[in-house]
Amino acid sequence: EVQLVESGGGLVQPGGSLRLSCAASGFTFSTYYMSWVRQAPGKGLEWVATIKQDGSENYYVDSVKGRFTISRDNAKNSLYMQMSVLRVEDTAVYYCARSQYLRFDVFDIWGQGAMVTVSP
Amino acid sequence: EIVLTQSPGTLSLSPGERATLSCRASQSVTSNYLGWYQQKPGQAPRLLIFGASRRATGIPDRFSGRGSGTDFTLTIDRLEPEDFAVYYCQQHGSSPITFGQGTRLEIK
Repeated sequence: EVQLVESGGGLVQPGGSLRLSCAASGFTFSTYYMSWVRQAPGKGLEWVATIKQDGSENYYVDSVKGRFTISRDNAKNSLYMQMSVLRVEDTAVYYCARSQYLRFDVFDIWGQGAMVTVSP
Repeated sequence: EIVLTQSPGTLSLSPGERATLSCRASQSVTSNYLGWYQQKPGQAPRLLIFGASRRATGIPDRFSGRGSGTDFTLTIDRLEPEDFAVYYCQQHGSSPITFGQGTRLEIK
């Protein structure tokens, strides 16, 4: 079964850091671009970041550039998001998602999400 | 950045009816790189349509997409009870990837 499972969410104070992980199974992880998409409580979806298959290229939405770092370990079939200098507005469910074919693409497989709450 | 505007915000229909959801882009979507997702409460989004009109794997044929340029439509024929959810469009023809704000399809 094709599956993505996130972990690492939690409560953090503004200015703090958090690292999300996403474990992939059921497909050849190393051959896909992978992404993070977030959804603030009661709001819509926002693309956050995408990483190339070999990790050599990363792309970010402007609001997280310089604060978030996407990475991957193909040997462990895992995707990561290191989040620093967190802001209240970063509060959201963070989904790990597989890009269908292209660098920028639709997302055909999603994890169940990890909740990140940034609050004093 | 391409802004996607979905309408209506909420659509109230009965099972068996047809739903027509609109997604309008602030500028032309390159190569009709537009997708549609369904999201139910507490669940991750599910890909329905990609390339404006191609159904994703396992999606029933009562879901159909059409459109080009700046105007796109998702049609759901013969609404089933499980179709009542929030629907999002997404473009990936230009960076950054952007989503519409969603249309809530509710039971009338």
